[in-house]
Amino acid sequence: EAGVAQSPRYKIIEKRQSVAFWCNPISGHATLYWYQQILGQGPKLLIQFQNNGVVDDSQLPKDRFSAERLKGVDSTLKIQPAKLEDSAVYLCASSLGKGTRSYNSPLHFGNGTRLTVT
Amino acid sequence: AQSVAQPEDQVNVAEGNPLTVKCTYSVSGNPYLFWYVQYPNRGLQFLLKYITGDNLVKGSYGFEAEFNKSQTSFHLKKPSALVSDSALYFCAVREGTNAGKSTFGDGTTLTVKP
Repeated sequence: EAGVAQSPRYKIIEKRQSVAFWCNPISGHATLYWYQQILGQGPKLLIQFQNNGVVDDSQLPKDRFSAERLKGVDSTLKIQPAKLEDSAVYLCASSLGKGTRSYNSPLHFGNGTRLTVT
Repeated sequence: AQSVAQPEDQVNVAEGNPLTVKCTYSVSGNPYLFWYVQYPNRGLQFLLKYITGDNLVKGSYGFEAEFNKSQTSFHLKKPSALVSDSALYFCAVREGTNAGKSTFGDGTTLTVKP
């Protein structure tokens, strides 16, 4: 099966600029996640979608970050305006997330987008 | 709130020796535990999981993990390390709900020397 696709792989922007990341999950996966991974730390959940609805966005800095998942398939994460501390790898993941015991399903990750804010 | 601790930033072992990467967790309710591996410039890859049943679970590439409920631990093990096992390893705990959130540790860098 095709994996989780993310683009771009790398992005360098200046602070206060805006940036967008795109993710296409594995076909049939109902749940989609965006994680932020700062160097030396584990991934931190930004937002989780179940189909096209938001399940958890409690750690998303909503004054600057936004995400959408139209039609319950691919997703876009946007940062506007960017700050220096947003420099990180942004990981998209998906899992089956359907039906009962969907917590059994592991997450499948894309290769990530490395963002550098200067 | 759930949490994961990986007490060692770095683990070094010689090729052919057994390896252990440690993980402890905190969660209300039943723990659902996962190990992931990250190679340079790649996303995380699933290794193995514990949901219920036998305390020793087997996964990809010869890895296994031992669940210990009393010690709230889920250590990753391999009987004989390979140089190609060198990577960054993450332990994760997941809520036992249909939309359960996964919380990750900060990772342990495993270096296997020839």
